[in-house]
Amino acid sequence: KQEVTQIPAALSVPEGENLVLNCSFTDSAIYNLQWFRQDPGKGLTSLLLIQSSQREQTSGRLNASLDKSSGRSTLYIAASQPGDSATYLCAVKGNTPLVFGKGTRLSVIA
Amino acid sequence: GAVVSQHPSRVICKSGTSVKIECRSLDFQATTMFWYRQFPKQSLMLMATSNEGSKATYEQGVEKDKFLINHASLTLSTLTVTSAHPEDSSFYICSVEPGQGNDEQFFGPGTRLTVL
Repeated sequence: KQEVTQIPAALSVPEGENLVLNCSFTDSAIYNLQWFRQDPGKGLTSLLLIQSSQREQTSGRLNASLDKSSGRSTLYIAASQPGDSATYLCAVKGNTPLVFGKGTRLSVIA
Repeated sequence: GAVVSQHPSRVICKSGTSVKIECRSLDFQATTMFWYRQFPKQSLMLMATSNEGSKATYEQGVEKDKFLINHASLTLSTLTVTSAHPEDSSFYICSVEPGQGNDEQFFGPGTRLTVL
């Protein structure tokens, strides 16, 4: 059974700092991995999708990497801003529908 | 990306009543939609896969008679929580997958259900 773990559970950083969020999964037989952002009481916004054949994807200040063999992904946020404050969720797709981690709650302090 | 709407965004009801939540795919036809539930500070858990024109597929531990899913058209799926109880209070989110099989999923804004 696929399990997804995200570390840290919460993170507080000063504005402008670069940061890394970690995601690990137990079954490396995945089709893709997706990073989402969730604001309090809101739905999910898709940030980046990495197919199993890819190593990384970039969108603006966000860069996500995937090491399928070791079951790890990282989300790198450059020059963080207060508007980046949210919960970031990692989810993997294998032979089952998406399996989510519990998320990392990020606070960027101005 | 795909645009998904949900209605209502928030509902408060008394214990024992039934609540219907709608999920609409606004810009493409979805043969499959997914329903998730999220308890406070917990991850999203898949409840069921909604299939247009056929029965939904429920995940283990989800009561199909309590959570009725109807996917009557290619743009609308509904989740009805029957005889709701306080433990059903949660955040319910639907999603669609526009591509075939292993593509990106797009989520609705969610519905906050509070059962008194």
